[in-house]
Amino acid sequence: QVQLQESGPGLVKPSETLSLICTVSGGSVSSGSYHWSWIRQPPGKGLEWIGYIYHSGSTNYNPSLKSRVTISIDTSKNQFSLKVSSVTAADTAVYYCARGLHFWGMDVWGQGTTVTVSS
Amino acid sequence: AIQMTQSPSSLSASVGDRVTITCRASQGIRSDLAWYQQKPGKAPKLLIYAASSLQSGVPSRFSGSGSGADFTLTISSLQPEDFATYYCLQDYIYPFTFGQGTKLEI
Repeated sequence: QVQLQESGPGLVKPSETLSLICTVSGGSVSSGSYHWSWIRQPPGKGLEWIGYIYHSGSTNYNPSLKSRVTISIDTSKNQFSLKVSSVTAADTAVYYCARGLHFWGMDVWGQGTTVTVSS
Repeated sequence: AIQMTQSPSSLSASVGDRVTITCRASQGIRSDLAWYQQKPGKAPKLLIYAASSLQSGVPSRFSGSGSGADFTLTISSLQPEDFATYYCLQDYIYPFTFGQGTKLEI
């Protein structure tokens, strides 16, 4: 059974870079046609898709964040990662990683990790 | 970006009720729509994909329908564990976008 687990600092200072890792267990980031996504949810608000990566390294980002976001993949460690630069308080959210199939939704999610942007 | 509009934003219901939540896309998205259930402090859980396909392990009281721009999620007989927030997601075109959520309350 595939499981995803987010990890990274829970507190980031304004203007710095937020960095998170998603570790995949019970399956491989190199398998099949899956994409590996990041989604976030500000406190008390709805869900926002940030972007995804395929095992080939092909990416797609939400234009609302595109200039600040980088998603990368490390198949040797079975991980993928998220970097968001120049963060502000508006980037405070629970960040989720998830596995998906295009046109079929995202079926496996991590438990989420809370990131607070504050000095 | 495609806008996904859910209605209602909140809904009060009782155990045993039949409930319908609607999601409307700002343009046609074929059947590339998923429904999620989220409970407080938990990750979203996939219920329905491709508009009407039931995810493995999800009770059959959940069903989805629609294509093009209009979609519905129906819960045939509410159970106590169904009280949660529900989101639709379109993954037809980038960027993927979620509806604003429907909070289902007792």
